[in-house]
Amino acid sequence: GENVEQHPSTLSVQEGDSAVIKCTYSDSASNYFPWYKQELGKRPQLIIDIRSNVGEKKDQRIAVTLNKTAKHFSLHITETQPEDSAVYFCAANAGGAQKLVFGQGTRLTINP
Amino acid sequence: DTAVSQTPKYLVTQMGNDKSIKCEQNLGHDTMYWYKQDSKKFLKIMFSYNNKELIINETVPNRFSPKSPDKAHLNLHINSLELGDSAVYFCASSPYHGFNYGYTFGSGTRLTVV
Repeated sequence: GENVEQHPSTLSVQEGDSAVIKCTYSDSASNYFPWYKQELGKRPQLIIDIRSNVGEKKDQRIAVTLNKTAKHFSLHITETQPEDSAVYFCAANAGGAQKLVFGQGTRLTINP
Repeated sequence: DTAVSQTPKYLVTQMGNDKSIKCEQNLGHDTMYWYKQDSKKFLKIMFSYNNKELIINETVPNRFSPKSPDKAHLNLHINSLELGDSAVYFCASSPYHGFNYGYTFGSGTRLTVV
């Protein structure tokens, strides 16, 4: 079945710098890759997603890139702000199984 | 007007008890899910229902029994609770089965078994 690996598990950056989180997936049939942000004690919330027919997608300070050949995708956050501090999850749909498989999460801390 | 609502938000109970968690979505979505988030924050799917029909049943102990009375509701009943069941349980919904859209998660139920 689908396996999603996410790195790093923790990331600390200075406010204003960029943060990059990387994920790899195993199922070549996966074609949908969302990213979720989970603040402390809150629910995971969808922040951006990308489908396999697109290589890159941007939404203000957030961008996601996808390399289907290498089976990896990344989240890029520019000009980080304290409110970006949270746990971020990547996910991939599991081929024909109609479910999302999540990475292990990255705890991002923005230092003022 | 909450899109996906879960009750209760917190549940503290003793080992061996039986408990239920309820979930309701007002988004008109066809598909609903239960995910378990353990102490290390890992999110793992448990069950998926599409329009009241069980679609996915991961390797979950049969002490866990989901029920979907209609496509807007998905409940989770847990028998004979064990310490290892302590976790946050999230309900989620998505628009269509077979299409790829992001989930909308409920606010979670923190279950603590003592």
